[in-house]
Amino acid sequence: QQPVQSPQAVILREGEDAVINCSSSKALYSVHWYRQKHGEAPIFLMILLKGGEQKGHDKISASFNEKKQQSSLYLTASQLSYSGTYFCGTEMRGAQKLVFGQGTRLTINP
Amino acid sequence: DVKVTQSSRYLVKRTGEKVFLECVQDMDHENMFWYRQDPGLGLRLIYFSYDVKMKEKGDIPEGYSVSREKKERFSLILESASTNQTSMYLCASSLTPLAGLPYEQYFGPGTRLTVT
Repeated sequence: QQPVQSPQAVILREGEDAVINCSSSKALYSVHWYRQKHGEAPIFLMILLKGGEQKGHDKISASFNEKKQQSSLYLTASQLSYSGTYFCGTEMRGAQKLVFGQGTRLTINP
Repeated sequence: DVKVTQSSRYLVKRTGEKVFLECVQDMDHENMFWYRQDPGLGLRLIYFSYDVKMKEKGDIPEGYSVSREKKERFSLILESASTNQTSMYLCASSLTPLAGLPYEQYFGPGTRLTVT
């Protein structure tokens, strides 16, 4: 069963913040985040492994609440280059495969 | 840099044709994956392979088969293409998790298949 991402789409002005949520009904081992620009391949952003783990680079960070089976991606002071569709991929222990959410389309306007 | 290449960016086939989609990766990855991407449905796993000649069904394997004769190459086969298989197909590869630590997947550019 696919994880549920919310919101499905969001439009921001440059410099604003965004939060994208990913929620699963199954116990998770890890959560992966990817960004895909139109017409391009998805690009890896980060993996969160442990419950409560937070990671980030530049102004993009994420958290993973293992108990709630939820992850959130935070984009701070968004830039035009952040536009694209964001996918979370969830992994159960030992599965070696990801189940992706339906995606969240982020549009950043000047 | 890891490179995952797919044989075609665009493909048009007729209903009932046998279709082969090829994927090659150049980083000696053990794991390879085939996804289809449809609007509003995200990426859905069709099949994956964790070793040569090994394959596992993903979430939507019906109507598809795969072949992995060499480590670097993973083929997706539509035995008899149907219009509901019109979609974007993405291939990906990754290393095998080490000590429980998963690795990221590297994606190819995709093949947009249209079945008429």
